[in-house]
Amino acid sequence: KNQVEQSPQSLIILEGKNCTLQCNYTVSPFSNLRWYKQDTGRGPVSLTIMTFSENTKSNGRYTATLDADTKQSSLHITASQLSDSASYICVVSEGAGGTSYGKLTFGQGTILTVHP
Amino acid sequence: EAGVAQSPRYKIIEKRQSVAFWCNPISGHATLYWYQQILGQGPKLLIQFQNNGVVDDSQLPKDRFSAERLKGVDSTLKIQPAKLEDSAVYLCASSLRLAGVQNTGELFFGEGSRLTVL
Repeated sequence: KNQVEQSPQSLIILEGKNCTLQCNYTVSPFSNLRWYKQDTGRGPVSLTIMTFSENTKSNGRYTATLDADTKQSSLHITASQLSDSASYICVVSEGAGGTSYGKLTFGQGTILTVHP
Repeated sequence: EAGVAQSPRYKIIEKRQSVAFWCNPISGHATLYWYQQILGQGPKLLIQFQNNGVVDDSQLPKDRFSAERLKGVDSTLKIQPAKLEDSAVYLCASSLRLAGVQNTGELFFGEGSRLTVL
């Protein structure tokens, strides 16, 4: 059964600090992995996407890594801001190469709270 | 480009009543998803449409939930009768994914419809 596990479940940090969120998956065949940010009361928004051949992808202060051998991904947030407070969801897509079959497996999310 | 539109944003009903949610995907997006998100959890797929056909409804509680996507554009999700455990946010998402066309399957989500069942 395809699964995506995220850790920690929740995290509290001070503004300006860095943090790293983890995602482990057992999805096959693998196409790509996305990190979504979901603000409270809003729908998720895509932050990064990585395919099998990519190891690192950055989007501003967000940097995602992927180890396809160990089936692990991380999302690193640098110099956190209050607006980073949100739920971060890891989503893995089945497919071949860069093409998704449209079947997605969601993690349960990590709730990040940034305090001033 | 307009995003995914959902309505209503909020709905409060009593158990055993019925409710309907509406979703209008991004223009040209062939794939439409309905997800249920319970507080503190990740989204759970209820049903996936490709144009106006159902691709996956294996997790849809068919005794009380129904969904349709007439003409392959907008969609409605209905719950009848509602139970307390149906309290959740119902997210609609669309994707450009078309059969035979290479794409990464990025989902674009609406703001969600928050249902409270009393």
